[in-house]
Amino acid sequence: AQSVTQLDSQVPVFEEAPVELRCNYSSSVSVYLFWYVQYPNQGLQLLLKYLSGSTLVKGINGFEAEFNKSQTSFHLRKPSVHISDTAEYFCAVGPGGSEKLVFGKGTKLTVNP
Amino acid sequence: DAGVIQSPRHEVTEMGQEVTLRCKPISGHDYLFWYRQTMMRGLELLIYFNNNVPIDDSGMPEDRFSAKMPNASFSTLKIQPSEPRDSAVYFCASSFSGALSPLHFGNGTRLTVT
Repeated sequence: AQSVTQLDSQVPVFEEAPVELRCNYSSSVSVYLFWYVQYPNQGLQLLLKYLSGSTLVKGINGFEAEFNKSQTSFHLRKPSVHISDTAEYFCAVGPGGSEKLVFGKGTKLTVNP
Repeated sequence: DAGVIQSPRHEVTEMGQEVTLRCKPISGHDYLFWYRQTMMRGLELLIYFNNNVPIDDSGMPEDRFSAKMPNASFSTLKIQPSEPRDSAVYFCASSFSGALSPLHFGNGTRLTVT
């Protein structure tokens, strides 16, 4: 079975500071990895995904993530955050050949002025 | 494109009552997913459909839960009878060709069972 661990439930940062949201997964098969973002009172929307190829994946709004197979991690980074990045971020794993994504518990990012 | 539309946005009901949640997916999408979000368990997949056919309902917690997709533009999730532990936010999401494509989520239905 697959599982996802998001190591930080809350991350407060100041505007224009860099941020890293951590995600580790476990799976016995090849996986696909995703980051979704949820703004208050809204559904989730896709930030970026890793299916294959380059381990550094770039997404929307200046976010990027790096797939590290040896460490089973898929951490999300942004070099300079804005107030508008305040949201909850979810890491998800999808085992190859399955439509059943498993989501982490989420990390609440709060960007302070 | 109006996105995935869910109704109602909020539902408050008493224990034992029947609850029906509704979802209109994005036109042309062939997959539809129902998720439940709670503080304790996070986001859980309940059931998903492909071309209106239920493919995997192993996440449906009990027989009290049922879901239907009578056509490509409408799906329902029904809870009968409802219990306080069913209180959660229920999301519908649709995609074109499965979970590897972006899932487009609705804004959710916040269900409170008293």
